[in-house]
Amino acid sequence: QVLLVQSGAEVKKPGSSVKVSCKASGGTFRNHAINWVRQAPGRGFEWMGGIIPFFGTAKSAEKFQGRVTITADESTSTAYLELRSLRSEDTAVYYCVRILWALMDVWGQGTTVTVSS
Amino acid sequence: DIQMTQSPSSLSASVGDRVTITCRASQSISDSLNWYQQKPGKPPKALIRSASSLQSGVPSRFSGSGSGTDFTLTISNLQVEDFATYFCQQSYSTPPYTFGQGTKLEIK
Repeated sequence: QVLLVQSGAEVKKPGSSVKVSCKASGGTFRNHAINWVRQAPGRGFEWMGGIIPFFGTAKSAEKFQGRVTITADESTSTAYLELRSLRSEDTAVYYCVRILWALMDVWGQGTTVTVSS
Repeated sequence: DIQMTQSPSSLSASVGDRVTITCRASQSISDSLNWYQQKPGKPPKALIRSASSLQSGVPSRFSGSGSGTDFTLTISNLQVEDFATYFCQQSYSTPPYTFGQGTKLEIK
């Protein structure tokens, strides 16, 4: 049974950066497709990007290119999402999810990121 | 990107009712459509994969159908624990993965 545990809530100033972690247990981490999805207050879900640790190359949504970095550390079975140049519109709950056979079947508990001056 | 449109955005029903939620894709996505349930303060839970395949452990009162651009999620004999928000998500043309805006199912 795969379990994803994310880091805690963050409060950030506009223009700063945030790095959220997602530690996996169970299964074979290097084969997991770990993706990041966010949910802003009152809005739907937005896919941000993902990585398969075995391949090491991340993909990100066009909207976030240049502002987001997705990485994975096989030694600790942990994936990371870094988002830079934060603005108020980035206030959201950020989820890491495993995608298996095109289904988001395992979700982290979510990390609330609040961007406020 | 493929746009996903759900209807209705909210729905009131009673325990024991049968409800249907619709999801429409902006182009044909074959059967590459997944459904999720989300309760307040919790991450989503996968219910149905590939339009109609029930995930393990999901009660049989949930069912999905459709192909191409039009899909439905049906919940029969509503239970108290079914009152939640439901989202569709396409997995046909990815990335990006795109979602419907959600349908909030409330108790009447």
